[in-house]
Amino acid sequence: ETGVTQSPTHLIKTRGQQVTLRCSSQSGHNTVSWYQQALGQGPQFIFQYYREEENGRGNFPPRFSGLQFPNYSSELNVNALELDDSALYLCASSGPGQDEETQYFGPGTRLLVL
Amino acid sequence: AQSVTQPDIHITVSEGASLELRCNYSYGATPYLFWYVQSPGQGLQLLLKYFSGDTLVQGIKGFEAEFKRSQSSFNLRKPSVHWSDAAEYFCAVGPGGFKTIFGAGTRLFVKA
Repeated sequence: ETGVTQSPTHLIKTRGQQVTLRCSSQSGHNTVSWYQQALGQGPQFIFQYYREEENGRGNFPPRFSGLQFPNYSSELNVNALELDDSALYLCASSGPGQDEETQYFGPGTRLLVL
Repeated sequence: AQSVTQPDIHITVSEGASLELRCNYSYGATPYLFWYVQSPGQGLQLLLKYFSGDTLVQGIKGFEAEFKRSQSSFNLRKPSVHWSDAAEYFCAVGPGGFKTIFGAGTRLFVKA
């Protein structure tokens, strides 16, 4: 059991709207990463937060933004939704110590943009 | 450029047969290597990882993988496949976090 949870499980939005996805990291994990997984593809890195600060970003526009909170929860916000934003969004947490390079994934939020 | 290649988009094996999923990587430094499994509509579950040491690593569910530096490969194997192993398998290379790069995945089908 990874201990990473995400909400909601599914979401339908229309183009131009805004969406907030939520993640609860495994306790003690102070790093959270967000990935976008389009249908039939591997996960693509969006960004990473460490101790509430963004410390790495993939090739995604600024309308993708995030927050990380002290209670191990985090958010992914997407503004001005586009049809191509339809995907499975995964968060992954990792923690300090010997296992810090291993990411534990949540079940994902499937977003459909119409 | 850093990349991960999984040459097989899908593979079909009979239940009880052996399995090998291929993974090749291109990475400038000493890589951390991972295999994840994803069941339909689910997140990714870590099967095994290689950071250093013995190049043959054991994972969960009876899977193992062998790191071959000379071939830049990290192939996943299982001696006897079960119907419940049908899923999508992803190879990834890092050192982890935002430097983790995933392959496109290999979908495994299991015949009864």
